[in-house]
Amino acid sequence: KAGVTQTPRYLIKTRGQQVTLSCSPISGHRSVSWYQQTPGQGLQFLFEYFSETQRNKGNFPGRFSGRQFSNSRSEMNVSTLELGDSALYLCASSLAVVNEQFFGPGTRLTVL
Amino acid sequence: QQQVKQSPQSLIVQKGGISIINCAYENTAFDYFPWYQQFPGKGPALLIAIRPDVSEKKEGRFTISFNKSAKQFSLHIMDSQPGDSATYFCAASPSGSRLTFGEGTQLTVNP
Repeated sequence: KAGVTQTPRYLIKTRGQQVTLSCSPISGHRSVSWYQQTPGQGLQFLFEYFSETQRNKGNFPGRFSGRQFSNSRSEMNVSTLELGDSALYLCASSLAVVNEQFFGPGTRLTVL
Repeated sequence: QQQVKQSPQSLIVQKGGISIINCAYENTAFDYFPWYQQFPGKGPALLIAIRPDVSEKKEGRFTISFNKSAKQFSLHIMDSQPGDSATYFCAASPSGSRLTFGEGTQLTVNP
C-alpha cells in the first residue's frame, strides 16, 4: 500500500507570495492533518480534516488555510509569506479522526 | 495545559544498551500516546502507541511504560543498534486527533 505523498517536496518562495501544498493520503484514509516542523518550535498542529470538513485548527494565523476534497486529498495554503514560515510542512493521514496518524515525507518550504 | 515535556534532549548509548526517553503531560484529556521516529529528510514514522487502560506495551525491542497517576510515559529501546540513531518524538492527543508533540530526543547509538 502506498504511503502518504506530498508535493512538491521542496519549494522556495519570497516574502509576500503565497504557496499551496498538496497531500494525498493513504488509500482508504479519510482524515488528513497538517503539521509545521521548525527547529525552534518543533512539531505543531495546523489543522485536521475529515470528510471535507475542518475538525480542528491549531494556533496559527488566518494566513494558513486548508481544504479537503471528496477523494480525501488535501491542500494547504499560506498567503502573504513571512520569513518565519520557512519550515517542513508535514501531512498525516488516518482511517478516521481517532486512529493512528501516518506521516508523509513533508514539503520543505524556504521563504527568502 | 497542552504541553508535552520530553527529556533528555540528546542521548548517547552504546550498541546493545538500553535507551530511555521520558515524557510528561498536563492535559488529563489526553488518552492516546504515540512515539514517532524521524530520520533526517524523512517524515516521522509511528513506532508504538499506548492508551491509558494499560501500563505497558511492548513491540519487539520497543516498550512504552505509562504512569497515569504521574502523567508520565516513557520509551525503552532494548538492545539499541546504530540503525536506531534518529530523533524520537513522544506525542499525546485526545482520541488520536491533533497530536501535541514533545520537543524531541536525538538518539545516537555508538557501534
